[in-house]
Amino acid sequence: QQQVKQSPQSLIVQKGGISIINCAYENTAFDYFPWYQQFPGKGPALLIAIRPDVSEKKEGRFTISFNKSAKQFSLHIMDSQPGDSATYFCAAPKVPKLSFGAGTTVTVRA
Amino acid sequence: NAGVTQTPKFQVLKTGQSMTLQCAQDMNHNSMYWYRQDPGMGLRLIYYSASEGTTDKGEVPNGYNVSRLNKREFSLRLESAAPSQTSVYFCASRAGQGNYSPLHFGNGTRLTVT
Repeated sequence: QQQVKQSPQSLIVQKGGISIINCAYENTAFDYFPWYQQFPGKGPALLIAIRPDVSEKKEGRFTISFNKSAKQFSLHIMDSQPGDSATYFCAAPKVPKLSFGAGTTVTVRA
Repeated sequence: NAGVTQTPKFQVLKTGQSMTLQCAQDMNHNSMYWYRQDPGMGLRLIYYSASEGTTDKGEVPNGYNVSRLNKREFSLRLESAAPSQTSVYFCASRAGQGNYSPLHFGNGTRLTVT
């Protein structure tokens, strides 16, 4: 059973638009919430991560928002670009394992 | 810097055949992992090795075995392949065992079992 539920499964956004991906978790012992980005034919790579002592973290056009009471966290891609087209995974590590969401395929149309 | 290297990149097997997927990392990482990726299922952990000399089962270990050959290498073996094992397999490593240590993935092995 997946410990992290991710939605939507896919989304299409116009260039310059905002992409939003949501994740919900059950285990309150999770204390670190990374997002991984995967391009076709490649392995996932860490994109951005947040710890639950902050509600938001921004790196360039990518922002994680964290809602501890709702046990949810989301990834926002601002000013989406065609190069952002990829599959995004949320994860919740509880060492030594990491539980991944099912993934969201983002397509940015030029 | 090669990072995590997986071989082969592609493989086709017949049901019942066996094979070993190879993985090597050159980052001196302690922990290594094998995941499988299937559409709509995300990444599911098959086996992991928290340190050299130890291995443990993940979410979906049935039908697989692993060997942590040394600190660099972690192999995944399918003894009798089944069509349900058609998937993309990823090896990953991380420096420490703490939550905040990111996973570094290889580029995957695409396996088809007919």
